[in-house]
Amino acid sequence: GAVVSQHPSWVICKSGTSVKIECRSLDFQATTMFWYRQFPKQSLMLMATSNEGSKATYEQGVEKDKFLINHASLTLSTLTVTSAHPEDSSFYICSAIRGQGRADTQYFGPGTRLTVL
Amino acid sequence: AQSVTQPDIHITVSEGASLELRCNYSYGATPYLFWYVQSPGQGLQLLLKYFSGDTLVQGIKGFEAEFKRSQSSFNLRKPSVHWSDAAEYFCAVGDDYGGATNKLIFGTGTLLAVQP
Repeated sequence: GAVVSQHPSWVICKSGTSVKIECRSLDFQATTMFWYRQFPKQSLMLMATSNEGSKATYEQGVEKDKFLINHASLTLSTLTVTSAHPEDSSFYICSAIRGQGRADTQYFGPGTRLTVL
Repeated sequence: AQSVTQPDIHITVSEGASLELRCNYSYGATPYLFWYVQSPGQGLQLLLKYFSGDTLVQGIKGFEAEFKRSQSSFNLRKPSVHWSDAAEYFCAVGDDYGGATNKLIFGTGTLLAVQP
């Protein structure tokens, strides 16, 4: 099957620091990856669409300068939370689309728990 | 705007009992509908999907869902629940079917607990 990993699985950082989260498609190439944010007892909210070799597309209300996305290769996308603050604490989930498939071929990573002190 | 509603935040069923998780959607065209399951430490796993055709779709792990256009619903069912089914279940609608974006809009999830 298609496997997507995320690293780290959890991270605690001090307010004002930056945190990088990696999303990797382990056994397939992913032209498109997505980044979601999930608050406790709430739904997954799409933050941005990451396309290999081009700029990410951010959803309305998501600060692109705060959540930097880089999709430098077909198997890796990174999300950097810059100058993190406690309100950025959340569960961040990535997904990857295998090839040029439709939404049914979107494979999800296990998520990264970010806690900002 | 497209949206997905899962009215039940938390459901508890006895092992072996039947299960129905509700999902209602709001979408202007024919929707692409999905059910995912999320277990702790694991990524969301696709249970089943509806794109077109037969309105009763079969998924993995014995789950099925029925698309009812007249009710804007896509409820998930399982005739006999196993303890390992305890997890959080998300209904989702594809926002841009046929296009390149493949965005998913998720409901708020239903947490399923299974009693022995």
